[in-house]
Amino acid sequence: RKEVEQDPGPFNVPEGATVAFNCTYSNSASQSFFWYRQDCRKEPKLLMSVYSSGNEDGRFTAQLNRASQYISLLIRDSKLSDSATYLCVVIPNTGNQFYFGTGTSLTVIP
Amino acid sequence: DGGITQSPKYLFRKEGQNVTLSCEQNLNHDAMYWYRQDPGQGLRLIYYSQIVNDFQKGDIAEGYSVSREKKESFPLTVTSAQKNPTAFYLCASSIWGLDTEAFFGQGTRLTVV
Repeated sequence: RKEVEQDPGPFNVPEGATVAFNCTYSNSASQSFFWYRQDCRKEPKLLMSVYSSGNEDGRFTAQLNRASQYISLLIRDSKLSDSATYLCVVIPNTGNQFYFGTGTSLTVIP
Repeated sequence: DGGITQSPKYLFRKEGQNVTLSCEQNLNHDAMYWYRQDPGQGLRLIYYSQIVNDFQKGDIAEGYSVSREKKESFPLTVTSAQKNPTAFYLCASSIWGLDTEAFFGQGTRLTVV
């Protein structure tokens, strides 16, 4: 079983729409969670960390559900510039590496 | 400016040749990583290093080798034993431990013909 699983999409949404991505992880002892953004043919960059109580950064909201072992990312009022692949990332309790999901592709359409 | 640099950006090699990808960081990070990315498969860990002169195999280490002689440098050699080496290779570095961000280089796109 993979450490981290994501729906690959693609998600094609109109500008202004709200879109949500989910990601499940297999190790219940995982400690740290993140969302990264990767533009086409570029390196991934940190979008936001995911905290137990949930956290928000502008139009982006991240949530963690430890009981069901999933994390989510909500994007409100989608912009064309949000088009990218979104990767969920988990660090296990051993703290020795990052586990990446396969990524979810988002295209925001004018 | 602090950062992580990979070179070259594009690399072409003939089948059967070894090739070394460079990764240098000036972020003073202890941990460095090599990932391979193929379409639809996300990032898969090849090798990682927590400290100078020490490194560990990741999930797909076969056909690859690394060294960590300096804190700043973590070169990856793709050997002729790697059966399908054409891919996008990403190097990253981080502070070792939990709740830490991985900083990536711009990647090297290797094509073996």
